[in-house]
Amino acid sequence: EIVLTQSPGTLSLSPGERATLSCRASQSVSSSYLAWYQHKPGQAPRLIMFGASTRATAIPDRFSGSGSGTDFTLTISRLEPEDFAVYYCQQFGSSPLTFGGGTKVEIQ
Amino acid sequence: QAQLVQSGAEVKQPGASVKVSCTASGYNFMSNGIHWVRQAPGQRLEWMGWINSASGKTQYSQKLQGSVTITRDTSADTAYLEVRGLRSEDTAVYYCARSSSSYMFEAFDVWGQGTMVTVSS
Repeated sequence: EIVLTQSPGTLSLSPGERATLSCRASQSVSSSYLAWYQHKPGQAPRLIMFGASTRATAIPDRFSGSGSGTDFTLTISRLEPEDFAVYYCQQFGSSPLTFGGGTKVEIQ
Repeated sequence: QAQLVQSGAEVKQPGASVKVSCTASGYNFMSNGIHWVRQAPGQRLEWMGWINSASGKTQYSQKLQGSVTITRDTSADTAYLEVRGLRSEDTAVYYCARSSSSYMFEAFDVWGQGTMVTVSS
């Protein structure tokens, strides 16, 4: 099983600041099979990024993804109020599909 | 637009079974697989299994194999998750999510709203 470790656990930032979220895998993941999701309380998770760096439909370009192998990054260039949420990375290239523990981006 | 709507919250006693439904609309149900994911309080998202909506082929997390069954009814555009032998550790929000194609190894591009299942005596 591929274990995904996200850091930091919590990121306290102000609107307009840059957020950098990390996802590290216990073994190599093809970048084609790495996704990021945004999850707000009481709502369904929302696909943000797939293929490590491809934005999902209607995701603004302030979101970007990068990385390969075992290290992946989600960057939000300028935080908007609606971006404060929990973000999960996921690998879907091998079974069982697995998720990271999440990074909470909170308003400072 | 594509949407998945899940059945309502359930409270079950230990040892019982629960069946959660996930009804699709706004797209061709047979064109995309359906995954089931759960999140227990304070825990990370856990993948449970997947069904190919057209063929009915399934694959399960090895950890849950034998206690979980995923089925679908193509006439109703609905997928189902049944969990048997419920324990307190199965208390969680259960989500269905659409695979972005008919294949299992794809990102999840549409999610249901979640169904809270509480296991308590």
